[in-house]
Amino acid sequence: ILNVEQSPQSLHVQEGDSTNFTCSFPSSNFYALHWYRWETAKSPEALFVMTLNGDEKKKGRISATLNTKEGYSYLYIKGSQPEDSATYLCAFNDYNFNKFYFGSGTKLNVKP
Amino acid sequence: DAEITQSPRHKITETGRQVTLACHQTWNHNNMFWYRQDLGHGLRLIHYSYGVHDTNKGEVSDGYSVSRSNTEDLPLTLESAASSQTSVYFCASSRASGRGGFGTDTQYFGPGTRLTVL
Repeated sequence: ILNVEQSPQSLHVQEGDSTNFTCSFPSSNFYALHWYRWETAKSPEALFVMTLNGDEKKKGRISATLNTKEGYSYLYIKGSQPEDSATYLCAFNDYNFNKFYFGSGTKLNVKP
Repeated sequence: DAEITQSPRHKITETGRQVTLACHQTWNHNNMFWYRQDLGHGLRLIHYSYGVHDTNKGEVSDGYSVSRSNTEDLPLTLESAASSQTSVYFCASSRASGRGGFGTDTQYFGPGTRLTVL
């Protein structure tokens, strides 16, 4: 079983703060990394799919970077808003195994 | 709009009973998946299907079964429910391309079913 770790487990920030969190995954046999946003009582919603080392993706105030050589991806939120409060999940796909390995998520709470 | 639905949203059952959770998608996706989500664990794959009459075991398939008789539906059956199967269950689907839904294909998730086995 491959290990995908997300840190921190939870994060509390004030409205307007910028924040970032990490998804760590095995650096060998990388195929793809997905980021999902998961609001309480809703289903996970796709944010980004990243495939190439050095990839940077952006959607509004949220952006992500990928380093496949060292096995990590960062998710950044600029100027957090209360509506950004959610759990952010990453899912790693290993080249050799036909499945996703999900992290446990980072739960973000943005206080007004 | 295309969507993926699950029913029931909440279910309480007793140990030993057979339970079936429904998943229905209108995306016309070939690939469908069942996950369970427990505290301290990420989403774990139970079963998946690449198309009609195709089913495959995931990492936590013991005690569960699926069948795929059409494109839209992948019901998950717990043959004899156990307390260890108390969990939140998510169904997902993706189009058929790349590595059967596990590479760059986005998976679209349903709203989840909270199952309690007493």
